[in-house]
Amino acid sequence: LAKTTQPISMDSYEGQEVNITCSHNNIATNDYITWYQQFPSQGPRFIIQGYKTKVTNEVASLFIPADRKSSTLSLPRVSLSDTAVYYCLVGARSGAGSYQLTFGKGTKLSVIP
Amino acid sequence: DAGITQSPRHKVTETGTPVTLRCHQTENHRYMYWYRQDPGHGLRLIHYSYGVKDTDKGEVSDGYSVSRSKTEDFLLTLESATSSQTSVYFCAISGTGTTNTGELFFGEGSRLTVL
Repeated sequence: LAKTTQPISMDSYEGQEVNITCSHNNIATNDYITWYQQFPSQGPRFIIQGYKTKVTNEVASLFIPADRKSSTLSLPRVSLSDTAVYYCLVGARSGAGSYQLTFGKGTKLSVIP
Repeated sequence: DAGITQSPRHKVTETGTPVTLRCHQTENHRYMYWYRQDPGHGLRLIHYSYGVKDTDKGEVSDGYSVSRSKTEDFLLTLESATSSQTSVYFCAISGTGTTNTGELFFGEGSRLTVL
């Protein structure tokens, strides 16, 4: 199973770009990389997903190098409302027809005024 | 938002009593998951299901069992609750057909306290 490693916490000022990197050295060929955002007392919420190179949507970008052993979530111009825990998740296939999805411990992002 | 509900949302019980948490979805998704979340540990996978009557263990499955007798319901049972199982439990769903690329939709969570 692919394990993920992220920084425990990060601080950033409002308006800055924030990059959170996740390491996943054992990623498998069929695995996707997915990032989630979680606010206190809520379930995680999907942000972005990718397989390789770069993916961009209306809230974030995801950069994945050719070896896919890491990925970087980029949040442009963060605001106070981006204060949350961010999780990197790499899909793992376990047995025929199954798909085990294991989270890491996440990165707590604190945005400072 | 995906149609996923958890019940009960809050429960207080005593050590040694059985507890069942229910996850109900209206999306006809194939994959369903139970996670627990504790301070300092993030989200940890307990059990998951990849179809009716098809389940498998996650990373912290000891002390828990699950059942899925129909697509829409995934039950998590603590046969004999212990204080270490005090946690917030999240259900999640993912995938349609045979495809699952890791995009999970989460319920609102069930807070369980075992005294």
